Amino acid sequence: EIVLTQSPEFQSVTPKEKVTITCRASQSIGSNLHWYQQKPDQSPKLLIKYASQSISGVPSRFSGSGSGTDFTLTINSLEAEDAAAYYCHQSSSLPWTFGQGTKVEIK
Amino acid sequence: QVQLQQWGAGLLKPSETLSLTCAVSGGSFSGHYWSWIRQAPGKGLEWIGEINQSGSTNYNPSLKSRVTISLDTSKNQFSLRLNSVTAADTAIYYCARGYTYYYDSETYRCNFDYWGQGTLVTVSS
Repeated sequence: EIVLTQSPEFQSVTPKEKVTITCRASQSIGSNLHWYQQKPDQSPKLLIKYASQSISGVPSRFSGSGSGTDFTLTINSLEAEDAAAYYCHQSSSLPWTFGQGTKVEIK
Repeated sequence: QVQLQQWGAGLLKPSETLSLTCAVSGGSFSGHYWSWIRQAPGKGLEWIGEINQSGSTNYNPSLKSRVTISLDTSKNQFSLRLNSVTAADTAIYYCARGYTYYYDSETYRCNFDYWGQGTLVTVSS
């Protein structure tokens, strides 16, 4: 099983700041890494697919990068509505796995 | 627009069987995999298993002995059964579409692009 380790687990950020969340895979997964946003009491929502590909309707301040074992989700100029938990997910090999999540709080 | 609507019993006693169903509308049921994912209170996401239109299934080894995922293609629905539940199975259960595409005789598994609304299942005596 591929283990995904996210850091940090919690981040308290001021609006307009830049947020960086990392996801490290226990083995190489190419670009088969996707990011989700989950707001309180909502289902997860796809943010970024294949490490860096944007999703229609997702604000351009969200971007992703990386390949192999190290990946990054960046939120440029954080907005209040971005308060949420963020998860990475790998589709390289079964069983599909998720990172433990990063909670972003707005100061 | 693809929509997933799920339902099922929300309160179970230990040793009972969890049963949930997810109905897919607004898109093709075929060609993709359909998953169940759960989230324990205050915790992260755990993939349970999946099924495709042919009835081919994959399960998380951690739950495989207790899980059955089935489908009814005539109704565009798929279902989850989890046997012998305990308090550790208390969670929000989501159904989701695992986007899949095919190219040059290869199958490419992607992200979960559509999700159900979630069902809280509580196991308590």
